[in-house]
Amino acid sequence: GNSVTQMEGPVTLSEEAFLTINCTYTATGYPSLFWYVQYPGEGLQLLLKATKADDKGSNKGFEATYRKETTSFHLEKGSVQVSDSAVYFCALSDQGFNKFYFGSGTKLNVKP
Amino acid sequence: KAGVTQTPRYLIKTRGQQVTLSCSPISGHRSVSWYQQTPGQGLQFLFEYFSETQRNKGNFPGRFSGRQFSNSRSEMNVSTLELGDSALYLCASRTLTRGHGDGYTFGSGTRLTVV
Repeated sequence: GNSVTQMEGPVTLSEEAFLTINCTYTATGYPSLFWYVQYPGEGLQLLLKATKADDKGSNKGFEATYRKETTSFHLEKGSVQVSDSAVYFCALSDQGFNKFYFGSGTKLNVKP
Repeated sequence: KAGVTQTPRYLIKTRGQQVTLSCSPISGHRSVSWYQQTPGQGLQFLFEYFSETQRNKGNFPGRFSGRQFSNSRSEMNVSTLELGDSALYLCASRTLTRGHGDGYTFGSGTRLTVV
């Protein structure tokens, strides 16, 4: 079946550090992949997406590349800010767009 | 355009009562899904509605139900509330177009506390 696995948190970084949050998936066919971010007390917001292999999604300095050979979609940012502190969810939507599958979320704490 | 609107934002109920939560999707989005989010269980899928029909259902007891109206607005109902139903309930809408990677747009959620 389809599933998403992301690294356990919390991840604690100093401001301006490099960020990587690992995400791997299991899916049949060609899913679409997403990263969502949730700030305290809010719902999830779409951060970026990629719909086919080798696509790179990017937004607000965050990037993730759809790697079919390694079934991965790791989130990266070159220089994090305190305002990036949030919970990040990796997700996939199966090829028929029938169901979404979310990872368990990774909490990021950025210290000044 | 307006986002996904959930009402109310906060709710406190007593065990045994029932509650109804409301969700208005983005205009043009015909699919509405509901999720329960708790610290221990993370995001759990409740159900999805499309054109007033339930097309997917998660693994929740029958006390959890939902419906969708002709204008795509959706409600979910929880009857005989239990303490464990305390959670953030998130509604999400999407266009559900085959062949396009449209993701969900989430509302801000309804925080339900059962006492």
